[in-house]
Amino acid sequence: GENVEQHPSTLSVQEGDSAVIKCTYSDSASNYFPWYKQELGKGPQLIIDIRSNVGEKKDQRIAVTLNKTAKHFSLHITETQPEDSAVYFCAAHANFGNEKLTFGTGTRLTIIP
Amino acid sequence: EPEVTQTPSHQVTQMGQEVILRCVPISNHLYFYWYRQILGQKVEFLVSFYNNEISEKSEIFDDQFSVERPDGSNFTLKIRSTKLEDSAMYFCASVRDRSSYEQYFGPGTRLTVT
Repeated sequence: GENVEQHPSTLSVQEGDSAVIKCTYSDSASNYFPWYKQELGKGPQLIIDIRSNVGEKKDQRIAVTLNKTAKHFSLHITETQPEDSAVYFCAAHANFGNEKLTFGTGTRLTIIP
Repeated sequence: EPEVTQTPSHQVTQMGQEVILRCVPISNHLYFYWYRQILGQKVEFLVSFYNNEISEKSEIFDDQFSVERPDGSNFTLKIRSTKLEDSAMYFCASVRDRSSYEQYFGPGTRLTVT
Protein backbone atom coordinates (compact mmCIF):
# COMPACT_ATOMS: atom_id res chain seq x y z
CA GLY A 1 0.00 0.00 0.00
CA GLU A 2 0.84 3.67 -0.11
CA ASN A 3 3.35 5.12 2.35
CA VAL A 4 3.75 8.88 2.80
CA GLU A 5 6.76 10.38 4.55
CA GLN A 6 6.74 13.99 5.73
CA HIS A 7 9.55 16.31 6.86
CA PRO A 8 10.29 18.15 9.01
CA SER A 9 8.22 17.11 12.01
CA THR A 10 8.57 20.59 13.53
CA LEU A 11 9.35 23.90 11.90
CA SER A 12 9.73 27.36 13.39
CA VAL A 13 9.98 30.43 11.19
CA GLN A 14 9.99 34.16 11.78
CA GLU A 15 6.81 35.95 10.87
CA GLY A 16 7.08 37.13 7.29
CA ASP A 17 9.52 34.42 6.25
CA SER A 18 8.66 31.42 4.09
CA ALA A 19 8.01 27.86 5.23
CA VAL A 20 8.48 24.71 3.19
CA ILE A 21 7.21 21.24 4.10
CA LYS A 22 8.14 18.20 2.03
CA CYS A 23 6.50 14.83 1.45
CA THR A 24 7.42 11.72 -0.47
CA TYR A 25 5.12 8.91 -1.49
CA SER A 26 5.73 5.35 -2.55
CA ASP A 27 2.86 4.34 -4.84
CA SER A 28 3.41 5.55 -8.40
CA ALA A 29 -0.34 5.12 -8.99
CA SER A 30 -1.11 8.00 -6.61
CA ASN A 31 -2.53 10.92 -8.51
CA TYR A 32 -4.01 13.31 -5.95
CA PHE A 33 -2.10 15.13 -3.22
CA PRO A 34 -3.97 17.34 -0.75
CA TRP A 35 -2.60 19.37 2.14
CA TYR A 36 -4.54 19.77 5.35
CA LYS A 37 -4.14 22.26 8.18
CA GLN A 38 -5.15 21.12 11.63
CA GLU A 39 -5.57 23.58 14.45
CA LEU A 40 -5.70 22.45 18.05
CA GLY A 41 -8.84 20.46 18.80
CA LYS A 42 -10.21 20.75 15.27
CA GLY A 43 -10.54 18.52 12.25
CA PRO A 44 -8.19 18.64 9.24
CA GLN A 45 -9.03 21.52 6.93
CA LEU A 46 -8.23 21.18 3.24
CA ILE A 47 -6.08 24.15 2.24
CA ILE A 48 -4.73 23.23 -1.18
CA ASP A 49 -4.40 20.18 -3.40
CA ILE A 50 -2.76 19.14 -6.63
CA ARG A 51 -3.46 16.46 -9.17
CA SER A 52 -0.80 14.55 -11.01
CA ASN A 53 -1.38 16.28 -14.32
CA VAL A 54 0.12 19.58 -13.08
CA GLY A 55 3.45 20.44 -11.53
CA GLU A 56 2.51 23.46 -9.45
CA LYS A 57 -0.56 25.16 -8.03
CA LYS A 58 -0.81 28.44 -6.20
CA ASP A 59 -3.47 30.05 -4.02
CA GLN A 60 -2.45 33.43 -2.62
CA ARG A 61 0.35 32.77 -0.10
CA ILE A 62 0.21 28.99 -0.45
CA ALA A 63 1.66 26.90 -3.23
CA VAL A 64 2.20 23.21 -3.82
CA THR A 65 4.71 21.63 -6.19
CA LEU A 66 4.73 18.06 -7.43
CA ASN A 67 7.54 16.02 -8.92
CA LYS A 68 6.02 12.75 -10.14
CA THR A 69 9.32 11.34 -11.30
CA ALA A 70 10.87 11.71 -7.87
CA LYS A 71 7.56 11.02 -6.10
CA HIS A 72 7.68 14.05 -3.91
CA PHE A 73 5.55 17.11 -3.33
CA SER A 74 5.98 20.21 -1.21
CA LEU A 75 3.93 22.90 0.47
CA HIS A 76 5.23 26.46 0.35
CA ILE A 77 3.83 29.20 2.55
CA THR A 78 5.13 32.70 1.89
CA GLU A 79 4.87 35.81 4.08
CA THR A 80 3.94 33.69 7.07
CA GLN A 81 1.58 35.06 9.68
CA PRO A 82 0.87 33.98 13.29
CA GLU A 83 -2.41 32.37 12.19
CA ASP A 84 -0.43 29.98 10.01
CA SER A 85 0.74 28.24 13.19
CA ALA A 86 -0.81 24.74 13.11
CA VAL A 87 -0.05 21.14 12.24
CA TYR A 88 0.09 20.50 8.51
CA PHE A 89 -0.51 17.08 6.98
CA CYS A 90 0.17 15.96 3.46
CA ALA A 91 -1.76 13.06 1.98
CA ALA A 92 -2.00 10.99 -1.16
CA HIS A 93 -4.39 8.72 -2.90
CA ALA A 94 -4.68 6.84 -6.14
CA ASN A 95 -7.26 6.21 -8.74
CA PHE A 96 -10.73 7.60 -8.37
CA GLY A 97 -12.08 10.24 -6.06
CA ASN A 98 -13.55 7.76 -3.62
CA GLU A 99 -10.25 6.29 -2.55
CA LYS A 100 -8.95 6.56 0.99
CA LEU A 101 -6.31 9.11 1.88
CA THR A 102 -2.95 8.05 3.24
CA PHE A 103 -1.57 10.77 5.49
CA GLY A 104 1.93 11.86 6.33
CA THR A 105 3.05 12.16 9.94
CA GLY A 106 2.46 15.89 10.16
CA THR A 107 4.54 19.05 10.61
CA ARG A 108 4.01 21.36 13.54
CA LEU A 109 4.61 24.85 12.17
CA THR A 110 5.22 27.66 14.63
CA ILE A 111 5.37 31.25 13.43
CA ILE A 112 7.50 33.40 15.71
CA PRO A 113 6.17 36.99 15.95
CA GLU B 1 -20.64 26.99 3.38
CA PRO B 2 -21.76 23.38 3.96
CA GLU B 3 -19.70 21.41 6.43
CA VAL B 4 -19.45 17.99 8.01
CA THR B 5 -20.73 17.90 11.58
CA GLN B 6 -20.04 15.33 14.28
CA THR B 7 -21.54 14.55 17.66
CA PRO B 8 -20.64 14.32 20.43
CA SER B 9 -17.48 16.40 20.52
CA HIS B 10 -16.21 14.36 23.45
CA GLN B 11 -17.28 10.93 24.66
CA VAL B 12 -16.00 9.25 27.77
CA THR B 13 -16.80 5.58 28.21
CA GLN B 14 -15.69 2.62 30.25
CA MET B 15 -13.81 -0.27 28.73
CA GLY B 16 -16.17 -2.86 27.34
CA GLN B 17 -19.00 -0.43 26.69
CA GLU B 18 -20.53 0.26 23.30
CA VAL B 19 -20.27 3.71 21.77
CA ILE B 20 -21.87 5.25 18.71
CA LEU B 21 -20.25 8.23 17.05
CA ARG B 22 -22.44 10.29 14.78
CA CYS B 23 -21.72 12.28 11.67
CA VAL B 24 -23.78 14.35 9.29
CA PRO B 25 -21.89 14.53 5.99
CA ILE B 26 -22.27 17.40 3.57
CA SER B 27 -25.63 17.22 1.89
CA ASN B 28 -25.54 15.55 -1.56
CA HIS B 29 -22.17 13.94 -0.88
CA LEU B 30 -22.13 10.27 -1.78
CA TYR B 31 -18.91 8.86 -0.30
CA PHE B 32 -18.25 8.70 3.42
CA TYR B 33 -15.25 7.84 5.53
CA TRP B 34 -14.13 7.36 9.09
CA TYR B 35 -10.57 8.09 10.13
CA ARG B 36 -8.99 8.11 13.53
CA GLN B 37 -6.06 9.98 15.04
CA ILE B 38 -4.37 8.78 18.19
CA LEU B 39 -3.02 11.72 20.17
CA GLY B 40 0.08 13.15 18.51
CA GLN B 41 0.01 10.73 15.61
CA LYS B 42 -1.10 10.87 12.00
CA VAL B 43 -4.61 10.45 10.72
CA GLU B 44 -5.38 6.81 9.83
CA PHE B 45 -8.06 5.46 7.54
CA LEU B 46 -10.67 3.17 9.08
CA VAL B 47 -13.43 2.61 6.54
CA SER B 48 -15.07 3.99 3.42
CA PHE B 49 -18.76 3.68 2.61
CA TYR B 50 -20.78 4.15 -0.55
CA ASN B 51 -24.25 3.14 -1.64
CA ASN B 52 -24.99 1.63 1.76
CA GLU B 53 -22.01 -0.67 1.61
CA ILE B 54 -18.48 -0.70 2.94
CA SER B 55 -16.12 0.01 0.03
CA GLU B 56 -12.87 -0.58 1.87
CA LYS B 57 -11.71 -1.09 5.42
CA SER B 58 -8.35 -1.09 7.10
CA GLU B 59 -6.89 -3.72 9.39
CA ILE B 60 -7.86 -1.49 12.31
CA PHE B 61 -11.54 -1.89 11.42
CA ASP B 62 -12.10 -5.29 12.99
CA ASP B 63 -15.30 -7.03 14.07
CA GLN B 64 -15.73 -4.60 16.95
CA PHE B 65 -16.43 -1.80 14.49
CA SER B 66 -19.45 -1.23 12.29
CA VAL B 67 -20.83 1.61 10.22
CA GLU B 68 -24.32 2.51 9.21
CA ARG B 69 -26.24 5.14 7.35
CA PRO B 70 -29.56 4.80 9.16
CA ASP B 71 -31.28 7.59 7.25
CA GLY B 72 -30.61 10.10 4.51
CA SER B 73 -28.38 12.32 6.59
CA ASN B 74 -26.58 10.48 9.40
CA PHE B 75 -23.52 8.26 9.17
CA THR B 76 -22.53 6.38 12.31
CA LEU B 77 -19.54 4.47 13.63
CA LYS B 78 -20.23 1.92 16.34
CA ILE B 79 -17.62 0.33 18.53
CA ARG B 80 -19.18 -2.68 20.22
CA SER B 81 -16.85 -3.29 23.14
CA THR B 82 -14.39 -0.46 23.60
CA LYS B 83 -10.78 -1.04 24.55
CA LEU B 84 -8.31 1.38 26.08
CA GLU B 85 -6.46 1.58 22.75
CA ASP B 86 -9.62 2.86 21.04
CA SER B 87 -9.03 6.21 22.73
CA ALA B 88 -8.47 8.65 19.88
CA MET B 89 -10.04 11.42 17.81
CA TYR B 90 -12.45 10.02 15.26
CA PHE B 91 -13.06 12.04 12.12
CA CYS B 92 -15.80 11.65 9.59
CA ALA B 93 -15.23 12.83 6.02
CA SER B 94 -17.24 13.00 2.83
CA VAL B 95 -16.69 13.33 -0.90
CA ARG B 96 -19.21 14.71 -3.35
CA ASP B 97 -19.08 12.10 -6.08
CA ARG B 98 -16.86 9.71 -8.01
CA SER B 99 -15.28 12.47 -10.07
CA SER B 100 -14.42 14.56 -7.01
CA TYR B 101 -11.23 14.23 -5.05
CA GLU B 102 -11.68 16.66 -2.18
CA GLN B 103 -12.40 15.03 1.17
CA TYR B 104 -13.96 17.34 3.74
CA PHE B 105 -13.50 16.48 7.37
CA GLY B 106 -15.68 17.07 10.38
CA PRO B 107 -14.38 18.54 13.66
CA GLY B 108 -14.02 15.10 15.22
CA THR B 109 -15.17 13.24 18.30
CA ARG B 110 -12.65 12.72 21.05
CA LEU B 111 -13.23 9.24 22.49
CA THR B 112 -11.73 8.52 25.88
CA VAL B 113 -11.93 4.93 27.12
CA THR B 114 -11.22 4.49 30.83
